[in-house]
Amino acid sequence: KNEVEQSPQNLTAQEGEFITINCSYSVGISALHWLQQHPGGGIVSLFMLSSGKKKHGRLIATINIQEKHSSLHITASHPRDSAVYICAVDFDDRETLLIQGAQKLVFGQGTRLTINP
Amino acid sequence: DAGVTQSPTHLIKTRGQQVTLRCSPKSGHDTVSWYQQALGQGPQFIFQYYEEEERQRGNFPDRFSGHQFPNYSSELNVNALLLGDSALYLCASSSVWGHHNYGYTFGSGTRLTVV
Repeated sequence: KNEVEQSPQNLTAQEGEFITINCSYSVGISALHWLQQHPGGGIVSLFMLSSGKKKHGRLIATINIQEKHSSLHITASHPRDSAVYICAVDFDDRETLLIQGAQKLVFGQGTRLTINP
Repeated sequence: DAGVTQSPTHLIKTRGQQVTLRCSPKSGHDTVSWYQQALGQGPQFIFQYYEEEERQRGNFPDRFSGHQFPNYSSELNVNALLLGDSALYLCASSSVWGHHNYGYTFGSGTRLTVV
């Protein structure tokens, strides 16, 4: 079964703290996405990873393909970072890979991050 | 460069009614995926359209149907609305290259309330 699990579900921290959110998945993937969702619904894509590490400003995303695990880090956290962070994966599904355009994202439950001033 | 546009942003319907939600993909994208997000949950895949065909479908009843137009825009239709259909409906566009989708871009969603 293709599953995506995130931890923690909720995280509260003080401004300036280093934040880590974890994502584990069950089977092989072709790509992993980290997304940010603010109250009101809109989702913003932060990173797409298939290997290694990516950095954008204060955000860093890493992935370990062998361990089927990814982490999202936020350095020098700020109250404006408060949001729900979601991990989503494209699984390597042999059946759907044969159908062009058939990939779908499977989402984790999200991590609600609150940064207090 | 416009991103993904969804309309309407909010909608209130009565049980048993039908609803149509619309999505315009990001310029250059050819694939549209629809997701349902219940309150406090992660998005659940409904279906995906590419080349005006439904390419894959999640575990949703036939009351949920869709369409993709030649300009790549898409509609999600839900018939015989139930209270449990109340959710945020998200549209994501992407571009197919080979057998993979790239550049997922999400819309702000349509919040549907069924009363």
